[in-house]
Amino acid sequence: EVQLVESGGGLVQPGGSLRLSCAASEFPFSKYWMHWVRQAPGKGLVWVSRMNSDGSSISYADSVKGRITISRDNAKNTLNLQMNSLRAEDTAVYYCVRESFYAMDVWGQGTTVTVSS
Amino acid sequence: QSALAQPASVSGSPGQSITISCTGTSSDVGSYNLVSWYQQHPGKAPKLMIYEVSKRPSGVSSRFSGSKSGNTASLTISGLQAEDEADYYCCSYAGSSTPYVFGTGTKVTVL
Repeated sequence: EVQLVESGGGLVQPGGSLRLSCAASEFPFSKYWMHWVRQAPGKGLVWVSRMNSDGSSISYADSVKGRITISRDNAKNTLNLQMNSLRAEDTAVYYCVRESFYAMDVWGQGTTVTVSS
Repeated sequence: QSALAQPASVSGSPGQSITISCTGTSSDVGSYNLVSWYQQHPGKAPKLMIYEVSKRPSGVSSRFSGSKSGNTASLTISGLQAEDEADYYCCSYAGSSTPYVFGTGTKVTVL
């Protein structure tokens, strides 16, 4: 079964850092563009970042630019999100997502990040 | 990039049809036939229902259909069923710098 499993979420103080990971299985991970999408409590979906299949092209939402870094390890079928200088407004469930035909066709179950003192 | 505009809620009785609109701009919805729709039940991850405006992934019911006119895309659910009660989000490709923008979301209630 095609699967994405996120990990690394938790409680962090404002200004702190967190590294999220996403393990992909049962599909050729190295051929797909991958995304992170987040959802604050009770709010809608917000696109965060995208990386192309070989890691040479990256995009970020303006709200996270300069504070968040997306990366991938195609040998380990893993997508990562390094988050620094975290703010209360970064509190959300973070989803790892696969892109296909300019749509997001496979979603992980999400990992929760809470930024609070 | 501002979120695409969706109605906050839409409701219908079982068996009826409902339509959810998704209004963007000439920089996103209006420029690309790359609108997708997602269904999200409470506490669950979103599920892709429509891609490239009107295409259905394998396994998605034919009761779900999509269309687009100008800067507005639409999702129609025909023969509404209780299991269709969920939140629905549209999403559009918006170019290479900020490639994707989601809609504000619509809560569908089956009366």
